[in-house]
Amino acid sequence: SQTIHQWPATLVQPVGSPLSLECTVEGTSNPNLYWYRQAAGRGLQLLFYSVGIGQISSEVPQNLSASRPQDRQFILSSKKLLLSDSGFYLCASKQGAANYGYTFGSGTRLTVV
Amino acid sequence: KNEVEQSPQNLTAQEGEFITINCSYSVGISALHWLQQHPGGGIVSLFMLSSGKKKHGRLIATINIQEKHSSLHITASHPRDSAVYICAVRRGGSQGNLIFGKGTKLSVKP
Repeated sequence: SQTIHQWPATLVQPVGSPLSLECTVEGTSNPNLYWYRQAAGRGLQLLFYSVGIGQISSEVPQNLSASRPQDRQFILSSKKLLLSDSGFYLCASKQGAANYGYTFGSGTRLTVV
Repeated sequence: KNEVEQSPQNLTAQEGEFITINCSYSVGISALHWLQQHPGGGIVSLFMLSSGKKKHGRLIATINIQEKHSSLHITASHPRDSAVYICAVRRGGSQGNLIFGKGTKLSVKP
């Protein structure tokens, strides 16, 4: 079965500082990978998804970027954090076949101060 | 209007009660998921449905595709069921991207 390792669990960063959140997947190969964000009082919203190495699709314009340097590694980055980047960031993985479910990471709670 | 709506937003129950959480959606979907989010934030997938009904222990999930509605039931609720329950749908034809509801916060009192 799939396992997602996501770190760190919590992060407090000043405005204008860079960000790097990492997600690695075990137990599968060539998964679809996703970054979601949950802002306060809102549902999870898709930020980026990737169907393969180097392939990144963005759902919403934002101050963030994503990269997939290896098959099972997905990185969320920012060069300069904004206050509005605060939230709960969640990595998810899914096998390509339609009848496979999702596996979720434990999430990172980011507070930009 | 959100594409996925859940009700209620908050639910408090006494231990042993039967609980129902509802989810309505407005888009064509290929599957619907029920997820459980514990206070630390980690999310566990409970069910994936495309039709009918599924049961796992005290949890039952149903979906009516024609009415675009799903329900999650918890029988004989227990304090350890306290969590946020999230409905999410996979839009038909998408790359598996999920659209999430805002969640229902359930608190079961002993």
